[in-house]
Amino acid sequence: RKEVEQDPGPFNVPEGATVAFNCTYSNSASQSFFWYRQDCRKEPKLLMSVYSSGNEDGRFTAQLNRASQYISLLIRDSKLSDSATYLCVGLNYGQNFVFGPGTRLSVLP
Amino acid sequence: EADIYQTPRYLVIGTGKKITLECSQTMGHDKMYWYQQDPGMELHLIHYSYGVNSTEKGDLSSESTVSRIRTEHFPLTLESARPSHTSQYLCASSDPLSADTQYFGPGTRLTVL
Repeated sequence: RKEVEQDPGPFNVPEGATVAFNCTYSNSASQSFFWYRQDCRKEPKLLMSVYSSGNEDGRFTAQLNRASQYISLLIRDSKLSDSATYLCVGLNYGQNFVFGPGTRLSVLP
Repeated sequence: EADIYQTPRYLVIGTGKKITLECSQTMGHDKMYWYQQDPGMELHLIHYSYGVNSTEKGDLSSESTVSRIRTEHFPLTLESARPSHTSQYLCASSDPLSADTQYFGPGTRLTVL
């Protein structure tokens, strides 16, 4: 079983839709979590860190549930430019980043 | 924008050649990483370093080697390239003082004929 698992996707949604991505992690020692965005044939870029209290950045909201070992990303009012692969990433204290396989999103006109 | 650079961006080379992929960052980060990613697939950690003279192998076995003589520089070398090495290679660095945010270089797309 992979340490970080994500919805397999792809998600094809119309512009303006709200879309939610789920991510689960198996290592309870994981300390920090992030959502990265990766465009086709480009490098991953940090979208947002995920805090225990939940955090919001414009149209993006991230939630962390440590009891359920579950992380989510909500995108409201999706834009064509949101089309990308979204990577859930965990960091275990003193160790390395663990990347999920990614969920591909296509926002359609 | 992250100050992390990779050269070359694209490399097409014949089997058996020795190649070095360059990665440098000007952020003073101690931690640096090399990932390998095939198209549409997930990232695999192949090497990492926690500082000068520190290098470790990652989760995915790789025939490449790395060195870390200077903080800002983390080159990856393949002694004898093979078609199975064809992939994208991504370098990254992180700083625990910045919540361990990881910054990626633009990648090197390697094709071995």
